[in-house]
Amino acid sequence: DAGVIQSPRHEVTEMGQEVTLRCKPISGHNSLFWYRQTMMRGLELLIYFNNNVPIDDSGMPEDRFSAKMPNASFSTLKIQPSEPRDSAVYFCASSSQQGLNTEAFFGQGTRLTVV
Amino acid sequence: KQEVTQIPAALSVPEGENLVLNCSFTDSAIYNLQWFRQDPGKGLTSLLLIQSSQREQTSGRLNASLDKSSGRSTLYIAASQPGDSATYLCAVRSGNQFYFGTGTSLTVIP
Repeated sequence: DAGVIQSPRHEVTEMGQEVTLRCKPISGHNSLFWYRQTMMRGLELLIYFNNNVPIDDSGMPEDRFSAKMPNASFSTLKIQPSEPRDSAVYFCASSSQQGLNTEAFFGQGTRLTVV
Repeated sequence: KQEVTQIPAALSVPEGENLVLNCSFTDSAIYNLQWFRQDPGKGLTSLLLIQSSQREQTSGRLNASLDKSSGRSTLYIAASQPGDSATYLCAVRSGNQFYFGTGTSLTVIP
């Protein structure tokens, strides 16, 4: 398996524009997590899905953020409209829920810069 | 809510030294604990996974221990090398979430 795949790797956009980040989890994994990493706050969980269903989105900072998982092999995180303070690295991770003692695998992240 | 703390935040050692990184967590009801390595500008690479029923795991020069009752884990790196320089993060799985520490930035000086 190629691991968790995220795209794009880098995104530079102007304030006010819509940004869509994409994630393909490891095949067979049924839990998917979106994290945001900044120097100030470290890794923050934004939202996670089990079996394509959002379970906890309490980490989503504002209504400008939304996430979807239309099927087991694809998820998106959308920011609309984007703001400079959204600049961060966004990571997607997946895990199997076959027993909760399984590990998380991370993608390489998307570095978002909003100017 | 689970809180994970890593001490120290940064560590600098000469090559060849053995070192210990610390991780503590507030809620002992965990399924597992995972240690990750993150290189600058890169993603997180899993190093070791310790199940809640285990006391330690070893991989090469790395040894991780877990004391669930006291809410502590350590990552021991033997004979450190410049290539070990990175940020090391620990994460505990509670419920269906992973809770991360803020990491220890390690620099191994040649």
